[in-house]
Amino acid sequence: EAQVTQNPRYLITVTGKKLTVTCSQNMNHEYMSWYRQDPGLGLRQIYYSMNVEVTDKGDVPEGYKVSRKEKRNFPLILESPSPNQTSLYFCASRPWGTGNNYEQYFGPGTRLTVT
Amino acid sequence: QKEVEQNSGPLSVPEGAIASLNCTYSDRGSQSFFWYRQYSGKSPELIMSIYSNGDKEDGRFTAQLNKASQYVSLLIRDSQPSDSATYLCAVRAGGYNKLIFGAGTRLAVHP
Repeated sequence: EAQVTQNPRYLITVTGKKLTVTCSQNMNHEYMSWYRQDPGLGLRQIYYSMNVEVTDKGDVPEGYKVSRKEKRNFPLILESPSPNQTSLYFCASRPWGTGNNYEQYFGPGTRLTVT
Repeated sequence: QKEVEQNSGPLSVPEGAIASLNCTYSDRGSQSFFWYRQYSGKSPELIMSIYSNGDKEDGRFTAQLNKASQYVSLLIRDSQPSDSATYLCAVRAGGYNKLIFGAGTRLAVHP
């Protein structure tokens, strides 16, 4: 089954304790990205990656890091989480490049609470 | 001006009626348009994509695109309570390899 998976699905942590949220896709998509979703603010892109070893900032990158060492994986790293990073996080993937095929698929989400 | 605008709702329709959801976008060079459905606490699910002017139908869903007016809509015929969700409009802006999402319209279908 074609899918995007994320782990963990739920996480409660404390301020300053480094954490990683994993994301993996099995569709051989070049493009992967991370979003956060907050009430009233919609989906905001944190980081994206156009292919292995190619990453760039989205609209709200502060406090986050990413890496893309393999095509299928795109982990999100919070080096020193703060309460304002409490949010619902989604990983997404889609094919890259030409034509109209920008159909993007989302993972199930990770609900993060930072106390 | 927001790049992709949607009325936040809630849009309340009776069961069996047609629900009409609207979205406007600011970049005239936008290429591709998508509608996602999102149930509370769940991930967005792609339900329609449209790339050229006119209508595109898929089951009870019809997407309509008017590039001259920079307007895309989603019609849901024979609305069901299970259609109650937030609908997100997403646009691939011209020259950008990025999807821009609207904040979503909440739809409530009541029996």
